[in-house]
Amino acid sequence: QKEVEQDPGPLSVPEGAIVSLNCTYSNSAFQYFMWYRQYSRKGPELLMYTYSSGNKEDGRFTAQVDKSSKYISLFIRDSQPSDSATYLCAMIPYGGATNKLIFGTGTLLAVQP
Amino acid sequence: GAVVSQHPSWVICKSGTSVKIECRSLDFQATTMFWYRQFPKQSLMLMATSNEGSKATYEQGVEKDKFLINHASLTLSTLTVTSAHPEDSSFYICSARGIGTATGNTIYFGEGSWLTVV
Repeated sequence: QKEVEQDPGPLSVPEGAIVSLNCTYSNSAFQYFMWYRQYSRKGPELLMYTYSSGNKEDGRFTAQVDKSSKYISLFIRDSQPSDSATYLCAMIPYGGATNKLIFGTGTLLAVQP
Repeated sequence: GAVVSQHPSWVICKSGTSVKIECRSLDFQATTMFWYRQFPKQSLMLMATSNEGSKATYEQGVEKDKFLINHASLTLSTLTVTSAHPEDSSFYICSARGIGTATGNTIYFGEGSWLTVV
């Protein structure tokens, strides 16, 4: 079993839809949770960073963490064609000397105009 | 957000030559930098972790003599692909972890460097 599981998609939604992206993890030591967006042929861009259970909102994006269920989500409201990209969840365990990121496999999202 | 710059963004080199890719943290000091490789439609594969002033730690299966990593300062790490071959053609991405509360537990990525070996 992988440490981090993410539905690879692809996910196709119409413009304006609410998008839900999800990851589950097995290692209870994971303490820091991130969502990255990667456009084709570009490096990943940090979207959200959280470290506690609950919701964190930034514009159209909401990151949700449920440590008891080992489950994180990213919600995108009023999705736009420019949101079309691969979304990667990533985690870091508490106390890791090098804070190596553990990635999900990424979900490819297409927002249709 | 914090900025990590990679240079060059793309490079073509002849088989057998070496090529160097630079990774700079522009507005923060990076204690740790990471180098990844990514093949088309696949996730990032961690190659090595470098800490400023010490030797890099390579992931299993990554040849340390082929992929030389130097982290000479808190803002610069370099990856040198030595004696490059066509199979080394790939997208190489660096990332950096900052110091301090603002960036200390967050890792930022560069734009990536496309290497084509002909």
